[in-house]
Amino acid sequence: EAGVAQSPRYKIIEKRQSVAFWCNPISGHATLYWYQQILGQGPKLLIQFQNNGVVDDSQLPKDRFSAERLKGVDSTLKIQPAKLEDSAVYLCASSLTIGTGSGNTIYFGEGSWLTVV
Amino acid sequence: AQKITQTQPGMFVQEKEAVTLDCTYDTSDPSYGLFWYKQPSSGEMIFLIYQGSYDQQNATEGRYSLNFQKARKSANLVISASQLGDSAMYFCAMREGREYGNKLVFGAGTILRVKS
Repeated sequence: EAGVAQSPRYKIIEKRQSVAFWCNPISGHATLYWYQQILGQGPKLLIQFQNNGVVDDSQLPKDRFSAERLKGVDSTLKIQPAKLEDSAVYLCASSLTIGTGSGNTIYFGEGSWLTVV
Repeated sequence: AQKITQTQPGMFVQEKEAVTLDCTYDTSDPSYGLFWYKQPSSGEMIFLIYQGSYDQQNATEGRYSLNFQKARKSANLVISASQLGDSAMYFCAMREGREYGNKLVFGAGTILRVKS
């Protein structure tokens, strides 16, 4: 079974430029997440989708970050304009659905490493 | 208050020995799940083990076991027979129920180094 796919793996941009990350979740997974992980810290949830609807985006800096999951499958996270403090790993993850049971384990992709200079 | 606390920034263990990584959590939700993930230097977050709040027995997965003490709100990860490939960052995480946001919240992590 294929895992969560992300691209690009690495991106270096200048501040005030824009960047987009793509994610394809595990087949059949209704819930998709974007996490931001700053070096030396644990991941922080940016946005959570259930199918193509947003469940939680309370920690998404909406003045510069946007995300969509138009067809309920793959998703795109965009940053515009980027700031130096956006340098981080952006992790996409998916689970079968929302819930606390073991069947809803969240599986992560390899991450997209962003450096803003 | 922190939802997940990992008090050990770094740990060393000798190859083939066992090591315990600490995790305490804070929640009012009676229904929650606890997870441990491993993150090697490549950056991927690898799922290791899950413990549900209603599970009567401690979870085990191969060399990984979870020492779940519900009254103390602790969920320590035990790695037996450590291997060099176990060197990585380890994160404890908790997922509460729908009424509490249903988010997976992570601790700050513990770096484990296995010595040969």
